[in-house]
Amino acid sequence: NAGVTQTPKFRVLKTGQSMTLLCAQDMNHEYMYWYRQDPGMGLRLIHYSVGEGTTAKGEVPDGYNVSRLKKQNFLLGLESAAPSQTSVYFCASSRSTSTDTQYFGPGTRLTVL
Amino acid sequence: GEDVEQSLFLSVREGDSSVINCTYTDSSSTYLYWYKQEPGAGLQLLTYIFSNMDMKQDQRLTVLLNKKDKHLSLRIADTQTGDSAIYFCAVVGGYNKLIFGAGTRLAVHP
Repeated sequence: NAGVTQTPKFRVLKTGQSMTLLCAQDMNHEYMYWYRQDPGMGLRLIHYSVGEGTTAKGEVPDGYNVSRLKKQNFLLGLESAAPSQTSVYFCASSRSTSTDTQYFGPGTRLTVL
Repeated sequence: GEDVEQSLFLSVREGDSSVINCTYTDSSSTYLYWYKQEPGAGLQLLTYIFSNMDMKQDQRLTVLLNKKDKHLSLRIADTQTGDSAIYFCAVVGGYNKLIFGAGTRLAVHP
């Protein structure tokens, strides 16, 4: 039981490049989330999903897209990376609602030059 | 919208008690959480309290909730070097989503 895993762990992009971050959970959780963590700002919700095939915008969705084609996977895409997207990205999942315990992945550190 | 505030840094001596404070603006949150983030790792749920409780104790951890003042605190007794981490307060905000504070970095020194 691996919990929540994220790939890759680190990535450096040039401005304008695209990439996809993969989150996988093996706990059969319905809800999945993507957060970004910036110094002094805590975690901010980018997008979330309440079930397979569904996605919704969070607090800071601009510049990102997501997909939940399979229940266990939640993908975060950057179509045209910008330096402002330099951050640490965390994926999380919870059993049913946001008030259930959220289990976090180890994070992806992304640098956009 | 919902706002959660924490002091950014706390330094304590090993063996002393640590108290990390948090204030929030929305009083409708049913649950209030404390998450811990160790260096290079994701967040891990440390403890939580129901909004109808004033206090919850779990071994070395004590959570106090003052709903009138919208104030939440986490007390760690006999703080150890292994407690060095960033501690995040979180409440349930609009659309049933967690709102995190900026995190308090706890440094434990001998």
